Amino acid sequence: AQKITQTQPGMFVQEKEAVTLDCTYDTSDPSYGLFWYKQPSSGEMIFLIYQGSYDQQNATEGRYSLNFQKARKSANLVISASQLGDSAMYFCAMREANDYKLSFGAGTTVTVRA
Amino acid sequence: DAGITQSPRHKVTETGTPVTLRCHQTENHRYMYWYRQDPGHGLRLIHYSYGVKDTDKGEVSDGYSVSRSKTEDFLLTLESATSSQTSVYFCAISEPPTGTLYNEQFFGPGTRLTVL
Repeated sequence: AQKITQTQPGMFVQEKEAVTLDCTYDTSDPSYGLFWYKQPSSGEMIFLIYQGSYDQQNATEGRYSLNFQKARKSANLVISASQLGDSAMYFCAMREANDYKLSFGAGTTVTVRA
Repeated sequence: DAGITQSPRHKVTETGTPVTLRCHQTENHRYMYWYRQDPGHGLRLIHYSYGVKDTDKGEVSDGYSVSRSKTEDFLLTLESATSSQTSVYFCAISEPPTGTLYNEQFFGPGTRLTVL
């Protein structure tokens, strides 16, 4: 069964605007971690932000923030003040407790327009 | 940046030939992983290793084998390559978390494999 669902294959956003990337997950484990990675056209995987299931506050890292809604099992990534360099594919991933493996979603391609 | 290299970076081979991809790390991380990336599927785990000579299967392990004879090297072998194994292959490393759910995986640059 798919553990991570990213329903937006592609999105366009205007430079300097904010964009929200959707991620829903499925787990029965009360302990889990959620990760977002960025993959630019050059291909490398860049870690962006992490949210633990017990974290009380939404994670933030610079222009990235994670809108964590535990009851809805969603962990949406918000990129504020988009820049041309934000054009990339973004992956949501989850790790359940006692399991070191990451389960990835299919990814969302973001294109930032000038 | 974590010291992870993959070789080769690009390879074209023919159906039925054996192929070995190498992942090398200089971080002394205990855990190593092989993923494949395909459009519409994100990254899917093929095999992983939790120590020297300790490996386990991931969700798409059929047709692949792995070996890890020393901490720094993790080899992925396609015994008899098929066109369905055309993909981008990523190696990743991590340390086991201690008292936390957080354990970032660091990824290598990827290997683009084409099976004709």
